[in-house]
Amino acid sequence: LAKTTQPISMDSYEGQEVNITCSHNNIATNDYITWYQQFPSQGPRFIIQGYKTKVTNEVASLFIPADRKSSTLSLPRVSLSDTAVYYCLVGDMGDYKLSFGAGTTVTVRA
Amino acid sequence: GAVVSQHPSWVICKSGTSVKIECRSLDFQATTMFWYRQFPKQSLMLMATSNEGSKATYEQGVEKDKFLINHASLTLSTLTVTSAHPEDSSFYICSARDPTGNPYEQYFGPGTRLTVT
Repeated sequence: LAKTTQPISMDSYEGQEVNITCSHNNIATNDYITWYQQFPSQGPRFIIQGYKTKVTNEVASLFIPADRKSSTLSLPRVSLSDTAVYYCLVGDMGDYKLSFGAGTTVTVRA
Repeated sequence: GAVVSQHPSWVICKSGTSVKIECRSLDFQATTMFWYRQFPKQSLMLMATSNEGSKATYEQGVEKDKFLINHASLTLSTLTVTSAHPEDSSFYICSARDPTGNPYEQYFGPGTRLTVT
């Protein structure tokens, strides 16, 4: 599994866009990039996954440059309820094991 | 989306006793489930992979005799913490993958808060 590096924390205000960048310099050809969200005292929740370029769903967008050595999760117009820890995971999921790093704690303020 | 439940949501037990935590996939069958442990302010740590009908596989450093895992059906996996000690107090979370769905998406239970006194 590729090692990932994310900022430990980020602060934002309601209505702003939050961009969290994850570095994964050793990403392998078969690896996908997946992001999970975790609220306090809850299990994580899948947000989005991608391989290259851009992926968008109803919750977020994921931007992956051509070299795939990093990725950026974009949360549009955040609200207080988006305060959570966001984890970037990279792997081929061949055995479906997930390896969670430290994650990024996003705090949204009014 | 698919739902995974856990029971109980929290439990307090005395040191030396055993505690069983259930993980259920409510609307899909899961041949594989995973158990994680999370200490306060820390990330999730994978403990073991629970395989239906066969023995669980444990991550390095996890005592298989202390954390007993049983995956007796396609919708139920149990984790039993035997002879619990205060250092076993933690947040235990299970996850499962829907084999008919996105292979990169796992569904997590709400977690079980274990406190050993």
